Amino acid sequence: DTAVSQTPKYLVTQMGNDKSIKCEQNLGHDTMYWYKQDSKKFLKIMFSYNNKELIINETVPNRFSPKSPDKAHLNLHINSLELGDSAVYFCASSQDWQGGTDTQYFGPGTRLTVL
Amino acid sequence: DAKTTQPPSMDCAEGRAANLPCNHSTISGNEYVYWYRQIHSQGPQYIIHGLKNNETNEMASLIITEDRKSSTLILPHATLRDTAVYYCIVRPHPKAAGNKLTFGGGTRVLVKP
Repeated sequence: DTAVSQTPKYLVTQMGNDKSIKCEQNLGHDTMYWYKQDSKKFLKIMFSYNNKELIINETVPNRFSPKSPDKAHLNLHINSLELGDSAVYFCASSQDWQGGTDTQYFGPGTRLTVL
Repeated sequence: DAKTTQPPSMDCAEGRAANLPCNHSTISGNEYVYWYRQIHSQGPQYIIHGLKNNETNEMASLIITEDRKSSTLILPHATLRDTAVYYCIVRPHPKAAGNKLTFGGGTRVLVKP
């Protein structure tokens, strides 16, 4: 069974559209994250949620809105998509963000292409 | 966040040990050293972490110098499936930065037959 899953795996859309990426973890973890990997392959954190509460919100345009219906899910909604949003988006989860040795487990990624 | 420096790439022969260095001279006392790897088109995979002592698990060994300013990840018997980008990350204390992992450029390791 996949521990952290994301849907869709690939997403191709036009500029200006609104899209969502879904993430689910079956590890029983309390904390979930979204990372973005750009064309230069640098991975940067965007958000983290602990038990549906926002913990980290990096400098991300407010067109990006994470939504956590329960602690096993953290979805990423993106409004008014721009060309620069094209990237691979990774979801991750961890047991407890305050733990000294908390380890994050990543999903397979969603490749978003904005045309 | 403490910055890490890694060589951009290295080759390794299959079956031999791969030693991946990482410098983190500005690391603070309560910051852990984490290693992840990313195989092509996959999500990052946790390998190992440590604070002061050397660590070993089923995947690798982590050697941290006494002054903690550098570390080495050792893959004891590299296989072709170990070809990946390896990231050395200094993780700040969660209460300071919310368990944020900051990935640098990593080392691209190519295991050759």
